[in-house]
Amino acid sequence: DAGITQSPRHKVTETGTPVTLRCHQTENHRYMYWYRQDPGHGLRLIHYSYGVKDTDKGEVSDGYSVSRSKTEDFLLTLESATSSQTSVYFCAIKDGTKNTGELFFGEGSRLTVL
Amino acid sequence: QQQVKQSPQSLIVQKGGISIINCAYENTAFDYFPWYQQFPGKGPALLIAIRPDVSEKKEGRFTISFNKSAKQFSLHIMDSQPGDSATYFCAAGSGGGADGLTFGKGTHLIIQP
Repeated sequence: DAGITQSPRHKVTETGTPVTLRCHQTENHRYMYWYRQDPGHGLRLIHYSYGVKDTDKGEVSDGYSVSRSKTEDFLLTLESATSSQTSVYFCAIKDGTKNTGELFFGEGSRLTVL
Repeated sequence: QQQVKQSPQSLIVQKGGISIINCAYENTAFDYFPWYQQFPGKGPALLIAIRPDVSEKKEGRFTISFNKSAKQFSLHIMDSQPGDSATYFCAAGSGGGADGLTFGKGTHLIIQP
């Protein structure tokens, strides 16, 4: 299994509160991604990173921010959580030294916003 | 705008039968087409992938068929087993570079014993 750890794995919070999800990798892969998974929508890209302090927006980035201060850590922040952000969030990594395209996923973080 | 369309949403197949899931893509710049398998409570895991320079790739009971001119690709699971019951996602993207994958909406597959 790819060395990806997501925390917390489960979180329940209230509307308007800030939430930070953490993704930690031990593979030293260059690229990291945050996806959200919702029934009927599949996996949708929120933000991604192509290096330390280098990030870009994905398909559904509104309401989310990210930071990557170290190769191994990629943080996803919801500044003011809303009920529409209730979802399962997956972190993924990709090896930038190989032209494989394969993403390795973490186990997911289930977030419920009440 | 949905760049990868997947069908069917759900599929029930008898044990030993053939499961077929289809996907269509729009972006001709895509050059990497994987299928991911996901079990409840787990993250998606790569099952099999294909590049557009070949029309078919087989790994055990799993086969990808690729039609570049039609911009379509499909997953065939031969001799389907109850352990194959899972959600399957097709995806498309670029093999190299930072771009992530664009996923279909998923197919919930149930193999009945």
